Amino acid sequence: DAGVIQSPRHEVTEMGQEVTLRCKPISGHDYLFWYRQTMMRGLELLIYFNNNVPIDDSGMPEDRFSAKMPNASFSTLKIQPSEPRDSAVYFCASSPWTENTEAFFGQGTRLTVV
Amino acid sequence: AQSVTQLGSHVSVSEGALVLLRCNYSSSVPPYLFWYVQYPNQGLQLLLKYTTGATLVKGINGFEAEFKKSETSFHLTKPSAHMSDAAEYFCAVSEGLTGGGNKLTFGTGTQLKVEL
Repeated sequence: DAGVIQSPRHEVTEMGQEVTLRCKPISGHDYLFWYRQTMMRGLELLIYFNNNVPIDDSGMPEDRFSAKMPNASFSTLKIQPSEPRDSAVYFCASSPWTENTEAFFGQGTRLTVV
Repeated sequence: AQSVTQLGSHVSVSEGALVLLRCNYSSSVPPYLFWYVQYPNQGLQLLLKYTTGATLVKGINGFEAEFKKSETSFHLTKPSAHMSDAAEYFCAVSEGLTGGGNKLTFGTGTQLKVEL
């Protein structure tokens, strides 16, 4: 398997623009997680899905953030409108439905909002 | 709520020296514990994990960690550091999710520097 695939790897956008980050989880995995990594706050869980259903979005910082998982092989994280403080590395991770298992991470998307 | 504390945001060792990265956790139930490594501009890669069973866990690249319930610790060690070990290391805890799977809470990370 190719692992978790995220696109784009880098995104530079102007403040106020809409940004969409994409993720393809590992086939057969039941859970999908979106994390944000910043120097100030480290790795934060934003939202996670189980079988395409959002389970916990308590980590989503504001209403400007939204995430969807229309099918088992695709998820998006959207920021609208974007702000400079959204600049961070966004990671997608997936894991199977078994205990004792870890999450598998993508390479991340480095977002810069200017 | 579960949490992880990593002592020392930066650790520097000489090549060939012992590596010790500290992690203490807080959990209301028996935890699952993980160590991940992140190389520059890369995602997180699993080094090792403790779920149940043997408390001394061996991982990739010669790393190991010991789960000590009495000390609520899961420190990461490697007997002899190599230049290629220079990276950021994250400890994570999970209490498990209903129906399987793990939601990870990460520590703030420890940047390991290896010097000649």
